[in-house]
Formats: sequence, structure tokens, C-alpha cells
Amino acid sequence: ELKVEQNPLFLSMQEGKNYTIYCNYSTTSDRLYWYRQDPGKSLESLFVLLSNGAVKQEGRLMASLDTKARLSTLHITAAVHDLSATYFCAVDYGGSQGNLIFGKGTKLSVKP
Amino acid sequence: DVKVTQSSRYLVKRTGEKVFLECVQDMDHENMFWYRQDPGLGLRLIYFSYDVKMKEKGDIPEGYSVSREKKERFSLILESASTNQTSMYLCASSLQNPPYEQYFGPGTRLTVT
Repeated sequence: ELKVEQNPLFLSMQEGKNYTIYCNYSTTSDRLYWYRQDPGKSLESLFVLLSNGAVKQEGRLMASLDTKARLSTLHITAAVHDLSATYFCAVDYGGSQGNLIFGKGTKLSVKP
Repeated sequence: DVKVTQSSRYLVKRTGEKVFLECVQDMDHENMFWYRQDPGLGLRLIYFSYDVKMKEKGDIPEGYSVSREKKERFSLILESASTNQTSMYLCASSLQNPPYEQYFGPGTRLTVT
């Protein structure tokens, strides 16, 4: 059974600090997705990582994928309040139907 | 831009009622999905469809059914709503080829009283 575990599940950080969210998964997959969800809203796609060593950056967020370690990281640089949200990683089954398994999400709160 | 719309943002129904949740996407995606999201449990897949009139059970299909009569529309049906089906329901769609990025609708918050 494919499992996706995020760590930590809750993260409170101060503005200006750096931190990393970890996403471990239990089976081989070359495709990993990061989503953001604001309170009361739906999921918005942030990054799609499609191969080992893939790195993508947008603003203060950078995501990377190590398929050998079955690990993806979402690094936050110099956090600002606007980054407060819940972040989900998701991994596909590796099959042909595009089903994704989601982690439970990391609720990030950035305080002044 | 991909657009996925859901028929209602908020819905309140009584126990035993039949409930229809509608989802429409405008990007000609083959795959469509229904999830429910509950605090502490993340997203759980209820049903998905990879073609018109095709459906597959996800992880928690009990108490739900689906219908896909047209490619752009995927409906979730609660045959007899119960209080434990109070939840946020999210619809998503994707292409059938990699990278399988799923695009989500705004969600329907359903309360069953």
C-alpha cells in the first residue's frame, strides 16, 4: 500500500525564518506534486516534480525530489505571513490512470 | 486556464435525503475525481472516472455513487445522506497522460443534519 507521510503536520514559524517540510513516500514513483490550500478554499497546484533530482522554485518556496530516497522537500526561505496555508504533497500510483495519494498536509502559520 | 466548477459552495441537507453534487470541467480532461476532506484525515478518494460512463471505486465509496454521462461532468450522489457524510467535497480533473496534475474545484461544504 502506498503511503505518503508529511512532517511536520503543524508548523509555526516567525517571519524571516527558513524551514523545510518533508514528504516521504513508501513506493517507487517519479512524479510528486505539491499543493497549497488556504483556509476554506480548495487546493492550488504549486509544483510538479517529474524526475529524480528535479528542483523547482517560485518566490520563497523551493521544492525538490529524490526518488531514490523517496523523499521530497518543500523549503521556505525568509517566511512571510502570506505563506500561511496548508501544504499537501501527493504521489501518483505510477499506473496509467493518474490517481494520486495525498499526505495529510502541513499546516503552516507564519507569525510576525 | 483550467477551470473546475462545483454546483454549490455550501449545502445543508437532512438525514435520509438524496444529495447530488455536480462538477464540471472545461479542459477536456479524461480523468475526474471526487474526494472528501476531513480534519486530520487529509483527502480521501471516493470515486474516480477515466472515461464517459466509466467509474472506479476509490478508498471510501460506501454510501456514495457517481455518474458520468458527459466527458465534462462528473456527479457525486449520496443516496441517503447521513450525518457522518458531513464534510468538504472536492472535485478534481486531469489529463490521462503524464504529468497527471490534478486541478481542483472550489469545493462543496456539505452539512447533514
